[in-house]
Amino acid sequence: DVVMTQTPPSLSVAIGQSVSISCKSSQSLVYSDGKTYLHWLLQSSGRSPKRLIYQVSNLDSGVPDRFSGTGSQKDFTLKISRVEAKDLGVYYCAQTTHFPPTFGGGTKLELK
Amino acid sequence: QVQLKESGPGLVQPSQTLSLTCTVSGFSLTSNSVHWVRQPPGKGLEWMGGIWGDGSTDYNSALKSRLSISRDTSKSQVFLKMNSLQTDDTAIYFCTRLITTDWYFDFWGPGTMVTVSS
Repeated sequence: DVVMTQTPPSLSVAIGQSVSISCKSSQSLVYSDGKTYLHWLLQSSGRSPKRLIYQVSNLDSGVPDRFSGTGSQKDFTLKISRVEAKDLGVYYCAQTTHFPPTFGGGTKLELK
Repeated sequence: QVQLKESGPGLVQPSQTLSLTCTVSGFSLTSNSVHWVRQPPGKGLEWMGGIWGDGSTDYNSALKSRLSISRDTSKSQVFLKMNSLQTDDTAIYFCTRLITTDWYFDFWGPGTMVTVSS
């Protein structure tokens, strides 16, 4: 199975700051069709995960452009600019290039 | 709109069988896939398995011997059955749709907490 390693495991941030979360995979996530099936989700406290970004950099509907995703092959980054209180929670990267789908261990974003 | 909702017993005794139902609306099971993902308390997400639009299934190899996923398309329901439950199966169980145009989990149910305890 593909191992997804997220760092850091937690981040303390002040409102208005920018943060970056890293996600590294044990194998390249480029599929035979040339696409990269690396996605980001946010799980706010007590709720189910919510989609944020799919295929590395595509923002889901309604996700503000303060969020951005970059990366390729085995190395990916989620950046949040001007953090707001509603951004707090646990961020997960997930890959569906290889079966089974696997998730990173999560990065908890909390207020400083 | 697309919705999924899990239901099932909150408490299961060790060695017993867990049965969960995911009731969906807003999309057809015959042209979409639904998967189960679980989350032990305070831990991360684990894909368990899923059922595809054609009715075929895939399972996490670590759970395959204990897990069965099926569906009733007429009722828009997907079922999970897992036997020989142990305390480390205590988790929140989510059902989620894997959209096969972009290959990501786009909609999730609220989850149902299952505690394995005598």
